[in-house]
Amino acid sequence: GESVGLHLPTLSVQEGDNSIINCAYSNSASDYFIWYKQESGKGPQFIIDIRSNMDKRQGQRVTVLLNKTVKHLSLQIAATQPGDSAVYFCAENGAESKLTFGKGITLSVRP
Amino acid sequence: GAGVSQTPSNKVTEKGKYVELRCDPISGHTALYWYRQSLGQGPEFLIYFQGTGAADDSGLPNDRFFAVRPEGSVSTLKIQRTERGDSAVYLCASSLWGTSTGELFFGEGSRLTVL
Repeated sequence: GESVGLHLPTLSVQEGDNSIINCAYSNSASDYFIWYKQESGKGPQFIIDIRSNMDKRQGQRVTVLLNKTVKHLSLQIAATQPGDSAVYFCAENGAESKLTFGKGITLSVRP
Repeated sequence: GAGVSQTPSNKVTEKGKYVELRCDPISGHTALYWYRQSLGQGPEFLIYFQGTGAADDSGLPNDRFFAVRPEGSVSTLKIQRTERGDSAVYLCASSLWGTSTGELFFGEGSRLTVL
């Protein structure tokens, strides 16, 4: 079936370095993708989104890249900070008004 | 309130009991979603409301699960004859229009433990 997945379960980075979190999706009909951040004991929090007619979108310290050819989505975080430590999920809107989430990757920032 | 509010934050129940979980969305948001999140997994879609009606309930796992939103605001997720496998965090989210046009605002979830 269609699925959204992440390549690595955990990512450890040094404070101040850039982080790259990758995600593969399989539903070619998806036209909207979102990255969420989830801190322990809290609900997912929207970070950034991108539509399928775009390759790149930038926010504050974050950039999302979309490669439709290989169905790959990535989240880049510049100058990673301790407050960025969390679980990150990619999600796709393959069916109308229904987001499908990947399993999540834990980002750990070393001081 | 300012965000999505869910109650209770924690619920421990015994196998076979009935449970209700409440969600109070952001005022004015027409779309409301229920997701279920197991440990180490991403949220799994259960049901979506647009106004008072369930626009998509394809994620409800079986007929023990039911949700209502009678006045188009507060929603209640109801689980009958709970099973240990129902243990998870149940997340509610709301959106102004829906996922095709904007982000979802999630509550902090209701953690259900079935003993």
